[in-house]
Formats: sequence, structure tokens, C-alpha cells
Amino acid sequence: GAVVSQHPSWVICKSGTSVKIECRSLDFQATTMFWYRQFPKQSLMLMATSNEGSKATYEQGVEKDKFLINHASLTLSTLTVTSAHPEDSSFYICSARGGDYGYEQYFGPGTRLTVT
Amino acid sequence: DAKTTQPTSMDCAEGRAANLPCNHSTISGNEYVYWYRQIHSQGPQYIIHGLKNNETNEMASLIITEDRKSSTLILPHATLRDTAVYYCIVRVDSYGQNFVFGPGTRLSVLP
Repeated sequence: GAVVSQHPSWVICKSGTSVKIECRSLDFQATTMFWYRQFPKQSLMLMATSNEGSKATYEQGVEKDKFLINHASLTLSTLTVTSAHPEDSSFYICSARGGDYGYEQYFGPGTRLTVT
Repeated sequence: DAKTTQPTSMDCAEGRAANLPCNHSTISGNEYVYWYRQIHSQGPQYIIHGLKNNETNEMASLIITEDRKSSTLILPHATLRDTAVYYCIVRVDSYGQNFVFGPGTRLSVLP
């Protein structure tokens, strides 16, 4: 199957700062990428969907000005958490779809964000 | 997407088969049944998917009832590394669809 990576795998930042998380499709061109958030002992919740070269579509209740998503190339999407607060501490997971893999979605390993 | 219901948790003895049920009584004719699992602090891992017929791969088998209202994921010889949360998801295979995760089943494989 396809490989999706995320960087960093974990990050600690201070309240009020911004942090960027990268999601890369390593062996295919991802026309669509998805960003999920997962709080402890809860399931994954979709935050937004991004198509290469287009603005992201955010799920209801997700602040687009706080969670900036850029999908500028077919292999890279970034999620920037702006002015992070402790309640933004979570596990952020991306997934990607495209290329020869059609409708299949492949998930990254996740990034654990801790805001102090 | 159709909703699915799964048991909250299950235990299985190491080396035995783990049978994880999933109910999807409102599934549509063009919706596939997907299974993913998530080991602690990792991203979801694809296991298997199917439409109508039973499917088998190197990880597991998927048994779908004839009326498609339920399915069972079978891990034939569970190991400690199979301890994870298992998600059953039904989804139409189209570009407009993503995966909607429910709470899943927490499988504990016991030594």
C-alpha cells in the first residue's frame, strides 16, 4: 500500500505560539488529503478536507482561521495551528488519497501536539 | 455514510481466533464495509474491505452476511500485537466520500 508520513511525530509548544505539521505522500500523488484530530480515548474526528491547489473544506465547528491548511503540491499538505492553546493539545492525523490508489485512503502515523 | 455499531470492548486469548462483529443494518447497496485498526498512539491501519463477498488477506478475513446487514472481522491467530481499537466503517467508494470513524471495538489480546 501507499505510504504517508507526518512530521514531526510529536511537538511541544507554548501557549500563544503557532506550530506547523507536515503530511507527505511518499510514493503517490495525493490529490486529496484529510486532517483528523483525536482526543484521548476518543475516536478520530475529521477536521478538514483539502484538494491540491484548492482551499480546504472545513467540518462544522472547526475554525478555519485557527487551523490553516495548505495543500500546495500533490505530495505535501500542512496544518498550522495558530495561537495554540492547551485545549488544542491532541493527536493530529492526516490521510491521503489519489494516484493509482483511487478511492483508498492511507493514514499517516500521527503527530502528538502538547501545548503548555 | 451508514452508521455501524460495534461492541465497546472484547478480550481474546493469544493464539485463538478473534471474531469482531459489526452491525450495519442501514447499509446501502453501493457501500463497502471497511475495517481499520489503531494501535495506541499510531495512525489507523487498513485491514480489509469488501462489498458482498467474503474476503481474505494476509491479515484477516471478512465475513459479510448475505443481507449485508452485518459483518465479522476474523483475526485467525491473535497475537499480543493485535491489541488495538478496531473500526468498522461503511462507505461508498467515490471521490466525495471520506471515512467516518465511530468509537470502534477495543480488542485486548491476553497472554
